[in-house]
Amino acid sequence: GQNIDQPTEMTATEGAIVQINCTYQTSGFNGLFWYQQHAGEAPTFLSYNVLDGLEEKGRFSSFLSRSKGYSYLLLKELQMKDSASYLCAVTDGSSNTGKLIFGQGTTLQVKP
Amino acid sequence: ETGVTQTPRHLVMGMTNKKSLKCEQHLGHNAMYWYKQSAKKPLELMFVYNFKEQTENNSVPSRFSPECPNSSHLFLHLHTLQPEDSALYLCASSRDRDPPYEQYFGPGTRLTVT
Repeated sequence: GQNIDQPTEMTATEGAIVQINCTYQTSGFNGLFWYQQHAGEAPTFLSYNVLDGLEEKGRFSSFLSRSKGYSYLLLKELQMKDSASYLCAVTDGSSNTGKLIFGQGTTLQVKP
Repeated sequence: ETGVTQTPRHLVMGMTNKKSLKCEQHLGHNAMYWYKQSAKKPLELMFVYNFKEQTENNSVPSRFSPECPNSSHLFLHLHTLQPEDSALYLCASSRDRDPPYEQYFGPGTRLTVT
């Protein structure tokens, strides 16, 4: 079966660092995406990891461990505008159909 | 503005109505997707089209009928829906289906079935 787990909610303080974890189990794997979705808006792409390790992009970094079925999104120097849902999505590598399987999302609230 | 537009943004329909959702992408992408987003549930893939051909139907009920006349346009025809079909319907596109490319999402259509 296919399963993706991430915490439902997190709270952090402006200026701090927060790590959002994602664990997955899939029958095939061809990469992991992180998307950001503000309330009432469309998801927007943050990062893509297909190899193990850390990918850094400004204040955001994403890590992948394929052997552990684990990823995290690291947000540094938190800003109020970072309050949003963060969606972890895994490609279904067992079929070449472009299928993405999403987790339920982690709602992050940044407080002053 | 992601380059993917959807109309209408809001739709209220009765269970006996027939309506259509429209999606258009201005990015020159070859793959297009329909997703359903319900409250407290993960974003759920419905259909994938690649070069106008359907490559994935994620066990979607037949009351949802997709149409992709060309790589820039995608429709979702709705008929005899149920109240549980009320959700946000998101369209997305990507450069190609494979290898995995980032998907660009439209703003969605908020559908309410009464």
